[in-house]
Amino acid sequence: SSELTQDPGVSVTLGQTVTITCQGDSLRTYYASWNQQKPGQAPLLVIYDKNKRPSGIPDRFSGSSSGNTASLTITGAQAEDEAVYYCNSRTSSGNQFNWLFGGGTKLTVL
Amino acid sequence: QVQLHESGPGQVTPSETLSLTCTVSGGSIRSSNYYWGWIRQPPEMGLEWIGSIYYSGSAYSNPSLKSRVSISVDTSKNQFSLRLSSVTAADTAVYYCARLDYYGSGTLNWGQGTLVTASS
Repeated sequence: SSELTQDPGVSVTLGQTVTITCQGDSLRTYYASWNQQKPGQAPLLVIYDKNKRPSGIPDRFSGSSSGNTASLTITGAQAEDEAVYYCNSRTSSGNQFNWLFGGGTKLTVL
Repeated sequence: QVQLHESGPGQVTPSETLSLTCTVSGGSIRSSNYYWGWIRQPPEMGLEWIGSIYYSGSAYSNPSLKSRVSISVDTSKNQFSLRLSSVTAADTAVYYCARLDYYGSGTLNWGQGTLVTASS
């Protein structure tokens, strides 16, 4: 399959831990990255290369992967973490590279 | 810190060609470590990869758009460009340019995005 599948919405109580998942065949070969998008803003990379954080991203964000599933975990979610999260990976078929995005998971912080 | 900035018309007439340019600053587009890509987001919808190009000119595009997409690079200007032909209302979206890790580990940097509306 050349798709990445995410749950449309997840909620978490302030200060608690939440995990957002992404499934797809490409994840057996390529690591997922995760992008956070707040309303009216461009996406922002929060996790790349499975579990690396760009400079400035809080360490409450972490990533993991197993088989065809990648996960983004926020440990101690904050109000400012409310956003849509998109997983992203590359895939290949013969000499063709493609880049894929999941449909996005809207995180609500209660 | 690398920055990317999209430029081009905000409105395109249906059936005509959408043209956008991305200017890269703070880093060289000639780096062997990155692809340079275009991604779009229709209103209230998710992200869709359009295509990517390496500084050498080797390019890939989304199979669903392939016949309409052309991506080029101008290393002398540190820019890359998108042309999307035969646009329809379905091509109305915010268009982002981005820097992508060569080995596929992530979309590392994004431009601010530019809204393009297909309308007469």
